[in-house]
Amino acid sequence: GAVVSQHPSWVICKSGTSVKIECRSLDFQATTMFWYRQFPKQSLMLMATSNEGSKATYEQGVEKDKFLINHASLTLSTLTVTSAHPEDSSFYICSAALAGGPYEQYFGPGTRLTVT
Amino acid sequence: AQSVTQLDSQVPVFEEAPVELRCNYSSSVSVYLFWYVQYPNQGLQLLLKYLSGSTLVKGINGFEAEFNKSQTSFHLRKPSVHISDTAEYFCAVRGGATNKLIFGTGTLLAVQP
Repeated sequence: GAVVSQHPSWVICKSGTSVKIECRSLDFQATTMFWYRQFPKQSLMLMATSNEGSKATYEQGVEKDKFLINHASLTLSTLTVTSAHPEDSSFYICSAALAGGPYEQYFGPGTRLTVT
Repeated sequence: AQSVTQLDSQVPVFEEAPVELRCNYSSSVSVYLFWYVQYPNQGLQLLLKYLSGSTLVKGINGFEAEFNKSQTSFHLRKPSVHISDTAEYFCAVRGGATNKLIFGTGTLLAVQP
């Protein structure tokens, strides 16, 4: 149980275009989802916390107009990288916390974004 | 605010040898502690967690960790490693009322035959 999926698993896009990444909790309801960014051989950096039905809370230094997060349902959150640039190339990972007790986050498999 | 320190960026070890991956944390409030494993190009998988109760926590794949409040440590151990244990291991802390996880920089466990 507690499976989280991400789609796509990898994507290549041209500079200036937008890319949407989906994060789904497959067998549980997640009131809170988290979006992380991971550079090669580095740790995970929290980008934003997403609560169903409300605006996401972004970490300091993360451009909310560039990284649009939508959490429309208890099983789906999306991250849209707008006007992507090569420096946005990274591994993006989402996680979801069970409704009623966010002691544990369940992680998706990640999405590799390459901007050319 | 909470923070996590993983002093060892890489730990080489021979197959079937024991291993300890170190994790120290700082927090002004009570904490929940986690160890995650990440295989190449994959997401994170929970190995084990400490929420409360017994300070010795057993997880999956034969791993265990001990919460030491006085030393603010949560070291991960395995008595005998396998080649398949080669991966990046992350220690994480969640403290107080926040639901955010703060990750350490990770330790690459490199198991050699």
